[in-house]
Amino acid sequence: DQQVKQNSPSLSVQEGRISILNCDYTNSMFDYFLWYKKYPAEGPTFLISISSIKDKNEDGRFTVFLNKSAKHLSLHIVPSQPGDSAVYFCAAPEAGNMLTFGGGTRLMVKP
Amino acid sequence: DTAVSQTPKYLVTQMGNDKSIKCEQNLGHDTMYWYKQDSKKFLKIMFSYNNKELIINETVPNRFSPKSPDKAHLNLHINSLELGDSAVYFCASSQDLGPRQTQYFGPGTRLLVL
Repeated sequence: DQQVKQNSPSLSVQEGRISILNCDYTNSMFDYFLWYKKYPAEGPTFLISISSIKDKNEDGRFTVFLNKSAKHLSLHIVPSQPGDSAVYFCAAPEAGNMLTFGGGTRLMVKP
Repeated sequence: DTAVSQTPKYLVTQMGNDKSIKCEQNLGHDTMYWYKQDSKKFLKIMFSYNNKELIINETVPNRFSPKSPDKAHLNLHINSLELGDSAVYFCASSQDLGPRQTQYFGPGTRLLVL
C-alpha cells in the first residue's frame, strides 16, 4: 500500500526542453517532501525539498510545485541536460525521519 | 573523502548463512538509517537509529538487526539469509531525527543470495 506514488516509470526528453516528473501521495499528514536523484550503482542524492506551507520552491534549474488539495507534487527541470539522466524519487518523512519513497521515474535526456 | 561508506560493495552468499554489512559516516551525524531497494527498484526504510533509539519498520523480519558500536557506524546483521533478501541495501545518515534533515546515502551493497 504505497503512500507515495510515481505513476510514470520513465520519461524521455530532448536536451534543452522541460522535464516534468510527477508524484502523488495519499497521506494528508505529510508536510514535507523531497526529491532525490539516483545514478546507476550510486546511492540517492538529495536534490530539492518543499514544505507544505509553500506551493513552490526553486533552486537553479529545478523547481518543485506542491498542490496540497490534489495531494500532488511535480519536479520541473528547465532546461534539461544529458547529465540529468537518472532515476528521480520523491519522498516524504514519517516518524523518526524515515523516508517513504515513490517508485521512481527514470529520466532520459537525449542530446 | 567519502561521507557515507559501505562495505562490502558486493556480497554473494548461500541461503541460510549469516552475514553483515558495515556502514560508516564521517559527517558527525547523530542518526543513521538502513534502506532496502528490491528487485522492482522500490526503496523501503528498514531502520532508523539515533543515540540508542531504534525505530523499526514493522515489515522488517527479525532476522535483520542493526548494531551500532559508535555514533559513526551502523552495521546490518542478517541471520538465516533467504532468497528474497537479495537486494541493494543502502545506508544513510542525517544530522538528527528532525523530519527535515537531509539524508546522505552510501553507495549501496548489492546482496545476492543463492
